[in-house]
Amino acid sequence: EAGVAQSPRYKIIEKRQSVAFWCNPISGHATLYWYQQILGQGPKLLIQFQNNGVVDDSQLPKDRFSAERLKGVDSTLKIQPAKLEDSAVYLCASSPQGSFEAFFGQGTRLTVV
Amino acid sequence: TQLLEQSPQFLSIQEGENLTVYCNSSSVFSSLQWYRQEPGEGPVLLVTVVTGGEVKKLKRLTFQFGDARKDSSLHITAAQPGDTGLYLCADSSGNTPLVFGKGTRLSVIA
Repeated sequence: EAGVAQSPRYKIIEKRQSVAFWCNPISGHATLYWYQQILGQGPKLLIQFQNNGVVDDSQLPKDRFSAERLKGVDSTLKIQPAKLEDSAVYLCASSPQGSFEAFFGQGTRLTVV
Repeated sequence: TQLLEQSPQFLSIQEGENLTVYCNSSSVFSSLQWYRQEPGEGPVLLVTVVTGGEVKKLKRLTFQFGDARKDSSLHITAAQPGDTGLYLCADSSGNTPLVFGKGTRLSVIA
C-alpha cells in the first residue's frame, strides 16, 4: 500500500513570496490533515478535512494560509504571502473513516529567508 | 483543547541503558497515542491506549496508561541507536483532531 505522498520535499522562498504544497493521501482515506511542525516542537494542526469538507480550521491563519481538497482526494496548502515565522515542516496525514490512526507523509521543509 | 506536557524534553543515553519518558495532561484522555518521528520523516504510530491502567508491550517498548487516564509513560529497555528519534504523545479522544505534545527528543549513542 502506497503511503502519503507530499511534494516538494524542500522549498526555500523569500518573505512575501507565495508557496504551495501538495498532498496525495492513502487511497480510500476519508480524513486528511495538514500540520505545521516548527523545529523543536510537536506538530500543530492547521486544518482537517473529512472527504472534501472542512472539519476544523480554527488554527489556520486564514489571512495568509488557504487549503483545499478537491474531489475529496488530493489536497493543496498555500501560503501567500509568506513570513519568516512560517519556516517549518508541513506534514500531511490521512486516516481511514472512523479511525484516529494518522498516517503521515515525509513532509515539506519550508525555509523563508 | 487540552495541553499535553512531555518530559524530559531531551534525553541522551548510552546504548544498552533503560529509559522512561512521560506524557501528562490536565484533563482526562479518552485515548492516547504514542508516535515516533525519525529525522526527515513524518511521525509513525507506535501504540494506542484506551483503558486506565492498560499496559502494552511492543518488543523492547512498554507503554503504560495511568489509572486516571491523565498520564502515560513509555519505557524502553536496552536502548539501541535505532531508537533515536522524537517521541510524541497525542490526544486521540473522540471528536477532536489529534493534538500533539512537544515531544521528547531521544539520542542513543553507540
